[in-house]
Amino acid sequence: GAGVSQSPSNKVTEKGKDVELRCDPISGHTALYWYRQSLGQGLEFLIYFQGNSAPDKSGLPSDRFSAERTGGSVSTLTIQRTQQEDSAVYLCASSASGRARETQYFGPGTRLLVL
Amino acid sequence: GNSVTQMEGPVTLSEEAFLTINCTYTATGYPSLFWYVQYPGEGLQLLLKATKADDKGSNKGFEATYRKETTSFHLEKGSVQVSDSAVYFCALVGGSGNTGKLIFGQGTTLQVKP
Repeated sequence: GAGVSQSPSNKVTEKGKDVELRCDPISGHTALYWYRQSLGQGLEFLIYFQGNSAPDKSGLPSDRFSAERTGGSVSTLTIQRTQQEDSAVYLCASSASGRARETQYFGPGTRLLVL
Repeated sequence: GNSVTQMEGPVTLSEEAFLTINCTYTATGYPSLFWYVQYPGEGLQLLLKATKADDKGSNKGFEATYRKETTSFHLEKGSVQVSDSAVYFCALVGGSGNTGKLIFGQGTTLQVKP
């Protein structure tokens, strides 16, 4: 069956440009999470969606980062005015509702390099 | 706040050796505990989980037991293979005040030599 998909798989951009990263969760999964994996910081939580709402945005590192989710499905993470420290692998995960929400399934990630 | 601490890597073993990767956690309430694995060039995969004290999660020959008294969830495998070479992440979710986000340890790199 289809898992979590992310696009693009790789993105190279210049400092100061905006980027959009896309996540398609597993069909029917109501919860969606974004994480960032970087060499210095390990795996960090960014934001959590339940449906189209984001009850936990506590991990977004600055106001340059934003995310939205539409139709309870696809999510987009936007980074404005990218900086070199934004270089990382951005991971998306989804999970079902109720107790099953605890088990998250990850996409392959988007590797972002800011030059 | 909640946190997870893993043993420092890398861990280098010969094939068929016994593996232990230590993981301890700090959390209020009753978190669920997970091990995720990341093979070279791939995304995170759930390896096993345990949702309450004394539960044992197991998969692909790996095991981990949820020990509330020692706040630990150590990963073990009796006989590792070259194909087990990967980065292993211990994580928790839940407990008081948690919105479902995973809190990860720093990861432990395992290299298995033939």
